[in-house]
Amino acid sequence: AQKITQTQPGMFVQEKEAVTLDCTYDTSDPSYGLFWYKQPSSGEMIFLIYQGSYDQQNATEGRYSLNFQKARKSANLVISASQLGDSAMYFCAMREANSGGYQKVTFGTGTKLQVIP
Amino acid sequence: SAVISQKPSRDICQRGTSLTIQCQVDSQVTMMFWYRQQPGQSLTLIATANQGSEATYESGFVIDKFPISRPNLTFSTLTVSNMSPEDSSIYLCSGSTPGEAFFGQGTRLTVV
Repeated sequence: AQKITQTQPGMFVQEKEAVTLDCTYDTSDPSYGLFWYKQPSSGEMIFLIYQGSYDQQNATEGRYSLNFQKARKSANLVISASQLGDSAMYFCAMREANSGGYQKVTFGTGTKLQVIP
Repeated sequence: SAVISQKPSRDICQRGTSLTIQCQVDSQVTMMFWYRQQPGQSLTLIATANQGSEATYESGFVIDKFPISRPNLTFSTLTVSNMSPEDSSIYLCSGSTPGEAFFGQGTRLTVV
């Protein structure tokens, strides 16, 4: 079973509009963390935002916010006021303990966001 | 946040040879990981690099093909051994602390 599911392979958004990228996850570990990364065409992975499973409030970082719905196991990324430079692949990822007790990070398949002028 | 320096950034290698990729973190990190990203795909975890002991490999990856070292909390290497064209990918190292996981710049490997 997929640990991290991103159901939107591609998304378009008009410049200056907000966009939501979906992410659902599956884990039995009560202590886990959720990440979003941006990967532009250059290939580097850029950390955007983090949400811990015990955090009471949704994480925010500038124009990025994470809509964390724990009961639904979803962690959607909201980008406000989209900019042309936001065009990139976006990956949702989860850190959890594996069966050996080691923490590991698993990635979703990604969503390609294109911002239209 | 911590910065990871990864090198080489890219290389073109002959099949049958080996390449060692290095990652240096500018501060101590709890965990270090190695990933592979094949063209157009997501990141796949190869292994967790454990300080001073053997790495923990994910299903489908073996130590003979991808030997990993982590002699201290800030440095790790991944070797891609006996390369074939199927090993052409981006390889990324990652460091993790509570609340953040960050990446090196990646190594773009082409095997010819």
